[in-house]
Amino acid sequence: DTEVTQTPKHLVMGMTNKKSLKCEQHMGHRAMYWYKQKAKKPPELMFVYSYEKLSINESVPSRFSPECPNSSLLNLHLHALQPEDSALYLCASSQDGGPADTQYFGPGTRLTVL
Amino acid sequence: AQSVSQHNHHVILSEAASLELGCNYSYGGTVNLFWYVQYPGQHLQLLLKYFSGDPLVKGIKGFEAEFIKSKFSFNLRKPSVQWSDTAEYFCAVGPPDSWGKLQFGAGTQVVVTP
Repeated sequence: DTEVTQTPKHLVMGMTNKKSLKCEQHMGHRAMYWYKQKAKKPPELMFVYSYEKLSINESVPSRFSPECPNSSLLNLHLHALQPEDSALYLCASSQDGGPADTQYFGPGTRLTVL
Repeated sequence: AQSVSQHNHHVILSEAASLELGCNYSYGGTVNLFWYVQYPGQHLQLLLKYFSGDPLVKGIKGFEAEFIKSKFSFNLRKPSVQWSDTAEYFCAVGPPDSWGKLQFGAGTQVVVTP
């Protein structure tokens, strides 16, 4: 099983809402990632968790809050977002975050902030 | 600044034509190199990768790439494309000592006409 699942597929939220994105993998991977992808652009790394610890935060605004409850799950909590945060949010996982790791991507959550 | 460059943003070609997509990077030292593909409506997936050994790497669906260290390049090739190869192609680099970080190129939109 090389699948990374993400829920929900689509999310529309207002600027005052609080919502969460969820990601799950059952490949035994110990590194998990959040990326943001705008239309016609490459994915931009937001966060990396390695062995359930936050190892990289690419200077992401605090209105995005990641959480890794266990080695299979990754959440992204959203609060007070701005319209420019509308994008496709991708989750990925890999063996342990090593530089030669293959990252396996989920289908993404398409987020629209009104 | 360190970067990953893809030379073409859009490529249109007919079925059975040959495809070559350029990718150059500016990192020194040992790098790990990837090509990912995003088919319409599907998630990002790995086509092939290079981290050591034979600089000619074969991937899925008949794709191959050649690492030329002296030119800091990792170009993707396919001798004869099919309509189903229509997709966005991303070159990515795992810089030296960069646990968890993938730097993506801007992407190349490839359209194969019947």
